Amino acid sequence: DVKVTQSSRYLVKRTGEKVFLECVQDMDHENMFWYRQDPGLGLRLIYFSYDVKMKEKGDIPEGYSVSREKKERFSLILESASTNQTSMYLCASTIGGSALKYGYTFGSGTRLTVV
Amino acid sequence: DAKTTQPTSMDCAEGRAANLPCNHSTISGNEYVYWYRQIHSQGPQYIIHGLKNNETNEMASLIITEDRKSSTLILPHATLRDTAVYYCIAPPIQGAQKLVFGQGTRLTINP
Repeated sequence: DVKVTQSSRYLVKRTGEKVFLECVQDMDHENMFWYRQDPGLGLRLIYFSYDVKMKEKGDIPEGYSVSREKKERFSLILESASTNQTSMYLCASTIGGSALKYGYTFGSGTRLTVV
Repeated sequence: DAKTTQPTSMDCAEGRAANLPCNHSTISGNEYVYWYRQIHSQGPQYIIHGLKNNETNEMASLIITEDRKSSTLILPHATLRDTAVYYCIAPPIQGAQKLVFGQGTRLTINP
């Protein structure tokens, strides 16, 4: 069964800390995405990546950065965590080019609380 | 993305067919319609997608109107585990095919 694995299910960090959220997929997918989900706001795209070392800003990139050094791994970095970054973070991947035939595969999410 | 409109919430009795509508009147000729669902505290799950023809898989059926301005997701025999938020999405054909999720329909299956 194909998988997108997020390293932590729950995470608590302090304001100002540098936070790394890791996502690994085993499907050899080209495209990977980071979303955050908040009550009443739905899922919002933070960053996405077409390929290794490629990245594109999504709708709400401020306060975040990403890293894609290997095809299977896409990391989301909060340079200096703030309380307004408390949220559920979801990683997804999809095949490049023919992605529309197969849809996205999502991870289970990381619930981050910044105190 | 083509704008999609869904009812905020729906209820359905267990064992009955759940029919979830979606309007996408601005959809272009080559844009697919996707359906995902999200069960509480889990990541979204792909259900089905289609372009023009009706589609069926082990999870659901998708009925797309001839003018493609609307579609209906059908869960033929809803169970309590189908309680979830259901998202209808019509992403652009170009680029990374990034999905933009709206508010979806909160479907509650009642015993």
